[in-house]
Amino acid sequence: QVQLQESGPGLVKPSQTLSLTCTVSGGSISSGSYYWTWIRQPAGKGLEWIGRIYASGSTNYNPSLKSRVTISVDTSKNQFSLKLSSVTAADTAVYYCARYVGAQYYFDFWGQGTLVTVSS
Amino acid sequence: DIQMTQSPSTLSASVGDRVTITCRASQSISSWLAWYQQKPGKAPKLLIYKASSLESGVPSRFSGSGSGTEFTLTISSLQPDDFATYYCQQYNSILTTFGQGTKVEIK
Repeated sequence: QVQLQESGPGLVKPSQTLSLTCTVSGGSISSGSYYWTWIRQPAGKGLEWIGRIYASGSTNYNPSLKSRVTISVDTSKNQFSLKLSSVTAADTAVYYCARYVGAQYYFDFWGQGTLVTVSS
Repeated sequence: DIQMTQSPSTLSASVGDRVTITCRASQSISSWLAWYQQKPGKAPKLLIYKASSLESGVPSRFSGSGSGTEFTLTISSLQPDDFATYYCQQYNSILTTFGQGTKVEIK
C-alpha cells in the first residue's frame, strides 16, 4: 500500500517561499506510469491542482500558478517537493500530495494534508 | 480551461435514500471523470474513475455513469458513513480541474 506524507513549515511570511516535501513509502517513486502531484484546498473551499512531476523530472504546472511554482523530485530519497514563491494570504490552504495515475487520469493515493498559513 | 459544474451544492437526505449528484463539463471530456468523497479534516478518497469504474474496496452502492459532458454519481441507499462532500474531477488536457463539491447532509 502506497503512503504519502507531507512535511514542512506550517507558517510562512508574506512574500516568502513556501516549501513542502512529500515522502512516498510502500512503493518506488520511479516505478509505473504515475505522476506525483500537489493539490491545495483553502478552508471551506474546493480543490485546486498545483502541478505534477514524473520520476524523470518532467513537470507540468497550473497556468494560474506557473510563474511561482517549482516541483522537483529526489528519487534516491523517494521524495518530491513543492516550492511556491512570493506567497500571500491567498495561498493559505491545506496542501496535499497525491499520486496521479497517468493512464487513467485520477488520483488514487493522497497524503493526509498539511495546513500552511501565510501570515506575518 | 474546462469548467466543471456540480449540482446540487448541498443535498439533504436520509439514511436509505437514493442520492444522485450531477457534474457537467463545459466541453467534452470523453469518459475521463473521477469522483471523490471527502470528510472533514481528511484527504479526498477515490470512489469512481473513468466515469463508471468502481475503485477497489469502495462499496457497490456507489456507481457512476455518463460520458461527454454530463456525468452522475449515484448512491443507491445512503448509509451513515456516506455523509460527506463529493467532488468530480476531469481530465481533458494537462490541466485537471475539480467541481466545486456537493455536500450531502443529514435530513
